[in-house]
Amino acid sequence: QKEVEQDPGPLSVPEGAIVSLNCTYSNSAFQYFMWYRQYSRKGPELLMYTYSSGNKEDGRFTAQVDKSSKYISLFIRDSQPSDSATYLCAMRGGGSEKLVFGKGTKLTVNP
Amino acid sequence: NAGVTQTPKFQVLKTGQSMTLQCAQDMNHNSMYWYRQDPGMGLRLIYYSASEGTTDKGEVPNGYNVSRLNKREFSLRLESAAPSQTSVYFCASSEMTGGLNEQFFGPGTRLTVL
Repeated sequence: QKEVEQDPGPLSVPEGAIVSLNCTYSNSAFQYFMWYRQYSRKGPELLMYTYSSGNKEDGRFTAQVDKSSKYISLFIRDSQPSDSATYLCAMRGGGSEKLVFGKGTKLTVNP
Repeated sequence: NAGVTQTPKFQVLKTGQSMTLQCAQDMNHNSMYWYRQDPGMGLRLIYYSASEGTTDKGEVPNGYNVSRLNKREFSLRLESAAPSQTSVYFCASSEMTGGLNEQFFGPGTRLTVL
């Protein structure tokens, strides 16, 4: 079992839809959870960051971490065509600088 | 600030040829990383450097060597390229700040090995 599992999709939704992206993980030492967004032919950029369990909201984006289930989610409300990208979850333990990435989910938001 | 820069942007090699991918950052970060990204495989860490003068293997180091030339620059060398090394290569840098280790990525190098 890989440390981080992420459904690669692809996921296609109409503009305005609510999008849910998810990752599961197996390493209980992970404490820092991140979502990166990667546009086509670009490098990934940090979108959201959460420490330990709980929710974090930033505009149309909400990140959730459920450490008891080893499950993290990213919700996008009122999705826009500009949200079309690949979304990668990433996480690390408290004692490590190295990030473990999911495979990424490719999202297309159709006008 | 340019952030993280990578050269070249594209490269085509023949099997057995060698080349060096260059990476530089202007954010004064201590840590630097090399990843490869393949379809269906996500980002996999090849090597990383926690500080100038130190390097460590990541998940997929075979066939690669690295040099942390100074704090700004971190190069990746393929001594004898193989078709399995066809990939997109990303360099990243980071600095631990209040627990967040945000990694900043370069634009990538698309490498094809024939």
